[in-house]
Amino acid sequence: GAGVSQSPRYKVAKRGQDVALRCDPISGHVSLFWYQQALGQGPEFLTYFQNEAQLDKSGLPSDRFFAERPEGSVSTLKIQRTQQEDSAVYLCASSLRFPAGGQETQYFGPGTRLLVL
Amino acid sequence: GQNIDQPTEMTATEGAIVQINCTYQTSGFNGLFWYQQHAGEAPTFLSYNVLDGLEEKGRFSSFLSRSKGYSYLLLKELQMKDSASYLCAVRRDFNKFYFGSGTKLNVKP
Repeated sequence: GAGVSQSPRYKVAKRGQDVALRCDPISGHVSLFWYQQALGQGPEFLTYFQNEAQLDKSGLPSDRFFAERPEGSVSTLKIQRTQQEDSAVYLCASSLRFPAGGQETQYFGPGTRLLVL
Repeated sequence: GQNIDQPTEMTATEGAIVQINCTYQTSGFNGLFWYQQHAGEAPTFLSYNVLDGLEEKGRFSSFLSRSKGYSYLLLKELQMKDSASYLCAVRRDFNKFYFGSGTKLNVKP
């Protein structure tokens, strides 16, 4: 079966431009996560969905960041008026159930590498 | 945030054994995970501990001491393909994962 896919894989944006990053989770996975990973760092939590409900957005760094998952499958992370500090890899991950327990792990997509000039 | 500490970089020789340590401080602890991440790729799941003790999985083992807030990942019979970053992650409550900065492992011939 297909894993988590993300598009685009690479995005170059001019400062001030809006970008939209797409995540296709594994079919049937209830939980979906977005992370931001700076170079040489571990992933930092941004937001979490259970089906279409955004249950936690405490990691979003500013109100320029917005995420949605309207039908409980595909998710989009939108960044408005991009800044240079937004340059990072944006990882999406999904897991089968909620609440997660036991060895319920996340399956990561390949990420979108965003460079803001 | 959560305090998750692991060494930045380690070097080991092919065929040897290496131990990567991770310490953490968190409330609502609900499991510790280790992931492997090759450069430019997604993290992939290696191991999981929620109770104290050692979990063995082929060449990889992971240990947890909840009272000490300590875990380690043990890699045996190192291979060149094991050169990667190893991420320690703590799950808090049900679905919040907090990652360390990763340990870059260099395996040399």
